[in-house]
Amino acid sequence: EDQVTQSPEALRLQEGESSSLNCSYTVSGLRGLFWYRQDPGKGPEFLFTLYSAGEEKEKERLKATLTKKESFLHITAPKPEDSATYLCAVIGNYQLIWGAGTKLIIKP
Amino acid sequence: SAVISQKPSRDICQRGTSLTIQCQVDSQVTMMFWYRQQPGQSLTLIATANQGSEATYESGFVIDKFPISRPNLTFSTLTVSNMSPEDSSIYLCSAGGYNEQFFGPGTRLTVL
Repeated sequence: EDQVTQSPEALRLQEGESSSLNCSYTVSGLRGLFWYRQDPGKGPEFLFTLYSAGEEKEKERLKATLTKKESFLHITAPKPEDSATYLCAVIGNYQLIWGAGTKLIIKP
Repeated sequence: SAVISQKPSRDICQRGTSLTIQCQVDSQVTMMFWYRQQPGQSLTLIATANQGSEATYESGFVIDKFPISRPNLTFSTLTVSNMSPEDSSIYLCSAGGYNEQFFGPGTRLTVL
C-alpha cells in the first residue's frame, strides 16, 4: 500500500538553529515528490518538486533532497517567518498521497 | 502561477442541507482539484475536475454526495450534499498539474 510518513510531527527551534524535516514514502513507481508550506488559515504554497534519487532543490534557507526511500527538507539558519506546517506529497502510478505534515516553530 | 479564490470563506450549516463552494482561478487551467482537510491533519483528495469531462472521484467519495461542476477553464464548484456533522472540515480547491498545484484559501464548513 502506498503511503507517506512525515517526522517529526512538530519541531521547535531557536532562530538560527538549523535542522531537517523527514518525509518517508512507499509508493509504486514514484513520479514525483513535492514539498509545500502551509500557514494557518491558508492553503498550501508550493515549494519544490523532486523527480529522482539524488536530486536537490534550493530556495532561500530551504533545501530539499531525495533518496529512493525518503526526502529531507533542510532548513538553514531559520527565521521566525519560516514557522509553518510543511507538507510532503508523492505521486506514483496510482494516486497522489499527502503526508500529515510537520509543524515547524521558530522562536526568536 | 495562478491566484485562486474561494467563496464562501466559512459557513455554518444545519444537517440535511447542502452547500455549494465556488472556486475561481485568475487564468485558464486544465486541471482543478478539490480536497478536504481536517484541522491539523493532512489533505485528502476528493476529486479531480477537468473541463469538458466528468469529475474523477477518489475512493470513498461519490458524486451523489459531492457533485462537482466545471463549466469553463477558470471556474469550478463543489457541493456538499445532505450534510452531517462528519462533513465539518476545511474544503480546498487547487489548480495546476500534479507536479505543482496552486491552492485557494479554503472554505471552513461547520455542520450542526
